[in-house]
Amino acid sequence: GAGVSQSPSNKVTEKGKDVELRCDPISGHTALYWYRQSLGQGLEFLIYFQGNSAPDKSGLPSDRFSAERTGGSVSTLTIQRTQQEDSAVYLCASSRGGGLEQFFGPGTRLTVL
Amino acid sequence: RKEVEQDPGPFNVPEGATVAFNCTYSNSASQSFFWYRQDCRKEPKLLMSVYSSGNEDGRFTAQLNRASQYISLLIRDSKLSDSATYLCVVTSTNTNAGKSTFGDGTTLTVKP
Repeated sequence: GAGVSQSPSNKVTEKGKDVELRCDPISGHTALYWYRQSLGQGLEFLIYFQGNSAPDKSGLPSDRFSAERTGGSVSTLTIQRTQQEDSAVYLCASSRGGGLEQFFGPGTRLTVL
Repeated sequence: RKEVEQDPGPFNVPEGATVAFNCTYSNSASQSFFWYRQDCRKEPKLLMSVYSSGNEDGRFTAQLNRASQYISLLIRDSKLSDSATYLCVVTSTNTNAGKSTFGDGTTLTVKP
């Protein structure tokens, strides 16, 4: 595809359930980022993958959050035992390398009831 | 203190006005700098990179001051379509190569 895609676009879940969010980066982009944005707030860094290096997980807010990137391409962000404060837009971005222009997907809007 | 700080605004200006935003960063080892634009309920999109020598793209001019650790964005002849939130982005490579930090954004509203 031409750009970064994310699925689902919207997800409504009940408190305590697990959710998986998917990101398909631009082909050939070695760097992949996950961010979270609450309504009216700035982007909160979650995790960063660069090639085959160990991911930078320093932004994950708790051990309920995890992410993986298979084969250096598709990434999945998993939130276990969701809480209401997890409600936000989750944005994925990719770039040709670290420190370069990031291209964002449209985001997944997560609502935890 | 936040790693990247921006005046949240809002900046409300009439069409045709010139407006400037500043962004300060705390990590002196920062290497790459960008301005992104984010429209309401949309994803951020790159507006322009910021180079040490400064750069201009049409009505937009970006400047970097490493000594004072800030970057700026100047918008001339504002258009209604310039209304958006402008995000300052700083990338540091001393500890986590390529990790970017976004400012919380400055909101601009251009009025007729």
